[in-house]
Amino acid sequence: AQTVTQSQPEMSVQEAETVTLSCTYDTSESDYYLFWYKQPPSRQMILVIRQEAYKQQNATENRFSVNFQKAAKSFSLKISDSQLGDAAMYFCAPSPGGQNFVFGPGTRLSVLP
Amino acid sequence: DVKVTQSSRYLVKRTGEKVFLECVQDMDHENMFWYRQDPGLGLRLIYFSYDVKMKEKGDIPEGYSVSREKKERFSLILESASTNQTSMYLCASSPPRGKGPTEAFFGQGTRLTVV
Repeated sequence: AQTVTQSQPEMSVQEAETVTLSCTYDTSESDYYLFWYKQPPSRQMILVIRQEAYKQQNATENRFSVNFQKAAKSFSLKISDSQLGDAAMYFCAPSPGGQNFVFGPGTRLSVLP
Repeated sequence: DVKVTQSSRYLVKRTGEKVFLECVQDMDHENMFWYRQDPGLGLRLIYFSYDVKMKEKGDIPEGYSVSREKKERFSLILESASTNQTSMYLCASSPPRGKGPTEAFFGQGTRLTVV
């Protein structure tokens, strides 16, 4: 079975500062994708960023970037210039073979004005 | 825009009732999923389906069943609701590998309370 660990149940960051959310996973698959999803209080899950495991270059999406360490099975999310709208639950989700999605327990991020 | 619609946002049912949670997607996705979300546990997969009339058990299928008679609709059934099934239920769909961006698209969730 796949396992996903997000070791920080809660984090906080000052507005305009940078924060990093950690994620480690365990998979025997060689072909997989990795995702970070955001769930604001509205409950709607929103894709933040996607990484293909075969790509060595770390994905970036505006203020969001990842640090993907394939050998260590680590996939952290960095949020730069944090905004109040970034406050949400963040879920790390490996996708073995790109067909199924396994979710971590989540990190609740608070953004302080 | 991809749209995944769950039939109810909030639902209150009595213990022992048969409960149907409906999910419809409009992007012709082959893959559909039902997750249960509980605090501290993240999303846990209940059932998934890669095609019409096809279903596979996820990590926590006990007490649940599913139905997929049409490609766009995936129903989750609680045969006899119990209080430990009080939770948030999330439906998702995705295209199969190679037929679109690999990504799960989610409904808005159904918060089910069993009393």
